[in-house]
Amino acid sequence: EVQLVESGGGLVQPGRSLRLSCAASGFIFDDYAMHWVRQVPGKGLEWVSGITWNSDKIDYADSVMGRFTISRDNAKNSLYLQMNSLRVEDTALYYCATDRHSSGWSYFVSWGQGTLVTVSS
Amino acid sequence: EIVMTQSPATLSVSPGERATLSCRASQTIGSNLAWYQQKPGQAPRLLIYAASSRPTGIPARFSGSGSGTEFTLTISSLQSEDFAVYWCQQHKDWAPLTFGGGTKVEIK
Repeated sequence: EVQLVESGGGLVQPGRSLRLSCAASGFIFDDYAMHWVRQVPGKGLEWVSGITWNSDKIDYADSVMGRFTISRDNAKNSLYLQMNSLRVEDTALYYCATDRHSSGWSYFVSWGQGTLVTVSS
Repeated sequence: EIVMTQSPATLSVSPGERATLSCRASQTIGSNLAWYQQKPGQAPRLLIYAASSRPTGIPARFSGSGSGTEFTLTISSLQSEDFAVYWCQQHKDWAPLTFGGGTKVEIK
């Protein structure tokens, strides 16, 4: 059974940093590209960032470009999101999700349950 | 950026009735469209990919159609567990991947 478990969320002041992690199990992690998708509670879904299986292609939404860094460790079956210079508008539930493919972006096959990031003074 | 527009925002349907949800892309995306279902307190779940294909385990009452810029998700006979929010998502362009604004299917 595919499992994606996010962690690292919490309450943080504007301008500070946070690192999210996603632990994957139940599938061959390095067969798939991975993504972070966020959702303000009660609102819509926003794709944040994606990374191919071998990290040779990485993309970001304009809203986080230059502030967030996605990475993965295939030996540890883990995905990460380093979030710097956090803003109030980054407050959301952050999901990690698997792509259908290894080397491109398509749709999100499996999702974790999310970790909540709250940016507030 | 490809903008995805879903309609209606809310759809009131009685159990057993058919529900038809629409999704429009701001430019042609071929069949590069997915649909997701999200229930309160849960993560989204993939319902349809490639506009009309169902993953293993998704009931046959869910069907997708369309190509280009106009897409439809049809739930043939609504069950109690189908009342949820539905999202469409395009993946023609590598970045950004974009979602529609969602359609909430509620009990009439």
